[in-house]
Amino acid sequence: DGGITQSPKYLFRKEGQNVTLSCEQNLNHDAMYWYRQDPGQGLRLIYYSQIVNDFQKGDIAEGYSVSREKKESFPLTVTSAQKNPTAFYLCASSIILRDTQYFGPGTRLTVL
Amino acid sequence: SQKIEQNSEALNIQEGKTATLTCNYTNYSPAYLQWYRQDPGRGPVFLLLIRENEKEKRKERLKVTFDTTLKQSLFHITASQPADSATYLCAPFFAYYGNNRLAFGKGNQVVVIP
Repeated sequence: DGGITQSPKYLFRKEGQNVTLSCEQNLNHDAMYWYRQDPGQGLRLIYYSQIVNDFQKGDIAEGYSVSREKKESFPLTVTSAQKNPTAFYLCASSIILRDTQYFGPGTRLTVL
Repeated sequence: SQKIEQNSEALNIQEGKTATLTCNYTNYSPAYLQWYRQDPGRGPVFLLLIRENEKEKRKERLKVTFDTTLKQSLFHITASQPADSATYLCAPFFAYYGNNRLAFGKGNQVVVIP
């Protein structure tokens, strides 16, 4: 059963703590992405990766970090430097950059 | 800078009617444009892709048009049903130097009233 998974679905953290969101895909896609979505807002790109061991900053990378050690995995760390981390986070993948993107179910992060 | 514009106001439409959404863009014309559907609390799902040399694309009750002169794509849902209620995002790909990824509009919500 191919797809893209994100865990957990809901995540609560105290202010000042780093937190890592998981994203895994078994679609054999080269490209992966992280987006942030706030209520009533569109998708904002945080980071993207077009190949293992390579990633690029998106439009709102400050306060976030990523790694791409395996093709299937693209975890996102929300650091304490992110001023307003409470949001809905979406991971996506595509065969290559520019191609149709397949999205995970999302993680809703709430920082208390 | 490149802009993508979708209507921020929700479209309320009676069941059975045709819903029409607009995606406008500025400056460069996209090589292709995709439309996605997003339900509340879920990730977007790809629906249709239309290329710059195509005028129209259809999939079941969905139809997309692309007018490079008007710098606009229209998304139509014919014989709309309550299950079509969702937010629809347009995502053009602008093939200019230095750009290598899709851009997403903010989306336009559709509410189909039974």
